[in-house]
Amino acid sequence: KQEVTQIPAALSVPEGENLVLNCSFTDSAIYNLQWFRQDPGKGLTSLLLIQSSQREQTSGRLNASLDKSSGRSTLYIAASQPGDSATYLCAVSGTGNQFYFGTGTSLTVIP
Amino acid sequence: NAGVTQTPKFQVLKTGQSMTLQCAQDMNHNSMYWYRQDPGMGLRLIYYSASEGTTDKGEVPNGYNVSRLNKREFSLRLESAAPSQTSVYFCASSEIRGQRETQYFGPGTRLLVL
Repeated sequence: KQEVTQIPAALSVPEGENLVLNCSFTDSAIYNLQWFRQDPGKGLTSLLLIQSSQREQTSGRLNASLDKSSGRSTLYIAASQPGDSATYLCAVSGTGNQFYFGTGTSLTVIP
Repeated sequence: NAGVTQTPKFQVLKTGQSMTLQCAQDMNHNSMYWYRQDPGMGLRLIYYSASEGTTDKGEVPNGYNVSRLNKREFSLRLESAAPSQTSVYFCASSEIRGQRETQYFGPGTRLLVL
């Protein structure tokens, strides 16, 4: 069974800092890795999706990388803003229509 | 285009009561999913439906049943609610293009079982 781990569980940074969130998975036979944002009391919003054949994806200040062989992905957030405060989750998909989620990193950006 | 919608937003049940959580999507997606989210556990898959007329068990199906009523709607039923089913329930649908599958989530249903 695929296990997805996100470290750290919580992170607090001053506004303007660049930061990296980590996601690791145990089974490298994945199709996709997706990063989500979840605001308190809300659903999940898709940020970036990386297919297994890709190394990275970028959207604005966000950059996600994937190293399938080592079972790792990182989400890089440049020039963090208070509005970036949320929980960030990664999920991997493989065969069988199933997605496996990490428990998330709770990010607080201090003004 | 509403995306994925869920009803109700909140519900309080007594142990043993039954209820159905409703989910609908207007994006013409074939695949739909039900997850539960508990503190420290992440999201866990309860059931999924790869296409209209098919359903499959996920990681934690016990105590739940599902119905894929049509392509748009996927409901989750608790026949006899238990306190262990207190959770936040999310419905999702996914868009598949080749091997690229992107999930879209509803706002969630917060369920408290007393």
